[in-house]
Amino acid sequence: AQKVTQAQTEISVVEKEDVTLDCVYETRDTTYYLFWYKQPPSGELVFLIRRNSFDEQNEISGRYSWNFQKSTSSFNFTITASQVVDSAVYFCALSEAMSGNNRLAFGKGNQVVVIP
Amino acid sequence: DTGVSQDPRHKITKRGQNVTFRCDPISEHNRLYWYRQTLGQGPEFLTYFQNEAQLEKSRLLSDRFSAERPKGSFSTLEIQRTEQGDSAMYLCASAQPTGGGDTQYFGPGTRLTVL
Repeated sequence: AQKVTQAQTEISVVEKEDVTLDCVYETRDTTYYLFWYKQPPSGELVFLIRRNSFDEQNEISGRYSWNFQKSTSSFNFTITASQVVDSAVYFCALSEAMSGNNRLAFGKGNQVVVIP
Repeated sequence: DTGVSQDPRHKITKRGQNVTFRCDPISEHNRLYWYRQTLGQGPEFLTYFQNEAQLEKSRLLSDRFSAERPKGSFSTLEIQRTEQGDSAMYLCASAQPTGGGDTQYFGPGTRLTVL
């Protein structure tokens, strides 16, 4: 069974501070995929990143960066120099190759509030 | 707009009524997913189509729920005899097969309130 844990429910930061969101996953599959999605107040889930289990390289995209560590089953997400527009709920999700259907198992999400 | 669209965006109904939601995926995507999201939770998988074939249903999908995807294009999700516990956001996503871990693109969702 696949499981994703996002322990921090709500995180408040002052604008321009950095914020790191933790994601810990469980899977018995050796091939799996990890995702981060952003859900702004409008409600639509916006895809941010996809990473497969064989690629442990960290990634940076603008102010966003991701740290994937298989040894600790974690896929953490950092927003650098946060802005008010970053206020949203961020979801980490897992897809197992063995499931055959690519269903996503989501964590409960991290509510990020950026205070101007 | 070439994204996933859903209709209606909001639906308020009385307990016991039937409701139907529609999802139009990105045109070249042959995989389509339905998820349900309740307040404070992440989306939960309901069902999955590849073209017109419904390949998997979650145990969350009781016999009051039915989904179709005629001709492998748009999909509908119907809830019969709605209950207050059905109140949630219903999300549709589509994907193009990439050999595994397909990236799913989500629509804006249909928010259902059952009174």
